[in-house]
Amino acid sequence: RKEVEQDPGPFNVPEGATVAFNCTYSNSASQSFFWYRQDCRKEPKLLMSVYSSGNEDGRFTAQLNRASQYISLLIRDSKLSDSATYLCVVNRGGGFKTIFGAGTRLFVKA
Amino acid sequence: EAGVVQSPRYKIIEKKQPVAFWCNPISGHNTLYWYRQNLGQGPELLIRYENEEAVDDSQLPKDRFSAERLKGVDSTLKIQPAELGDSAVYLCASSLDRGLSTEAFFGQGTRLTVV
Repeated sequence: RKEVEQDPGPFNVPEGATVAFNCTYSNSASQSFFWYRQDCRKEPKLLMSVYSSGNEDGRFTAQLNRASQYISLLIRDSKLSDSATYLCVVNRGGGFKTIFGAGTRLFVKA
Repeated sequence: EAGVVQSPRYKIIEKKQPVAFWCNPISGHNTLYWYRQNLGQGPELLIRYENEEAVDDSQLPKDRFSAERLKGVDSTLKIQPAELGDSAVYLCASSLDRGLSTEAFFGQGTRLTVV
């Protein structure tokens, strides 16, 4: 089992839809969490950090459940430009490891 | 501000040949990472530097891969000899420090094809 696992995808949604991605992590020493976005043939870029209290940035909402070792990303009112791969990223102590999930591919269609 | 710069962008080599990748991190970033990303997978860390010191190279295949970061700025990653399974995108990233909440900035990567 991988240390960070994401929904396999791909997700195909119409414009305006709400879509949610899930991510689970297995190491309880994990301390910080992020969602990165990666466009086709481009480098990953930080979308948002994930805080225990949950955080929102426009149409994007990230949630963290430490008890269940679970992270989520909600995208409301999907746009064509949201089409990308969304990578769940976990940093843990004890050597400061950064672990990327395999990513979930999103296609938003007109 | 310039981002992380990598070169070359693309490289095609025959198996058993050597290859080298170069990375120039964002100015002032102490921490530098090399990742390998296979198709359909997330990036996997190969090596992490803090200044010129390699602090995590546990995932670097040391029989054929080597890296250096002279003077704590630019870095090179070398593969010798390359194998077919080394075909992937090699990403360099940098961050201001090693803090767990620190954002990593990625370069555009070098796409390696071994034939």
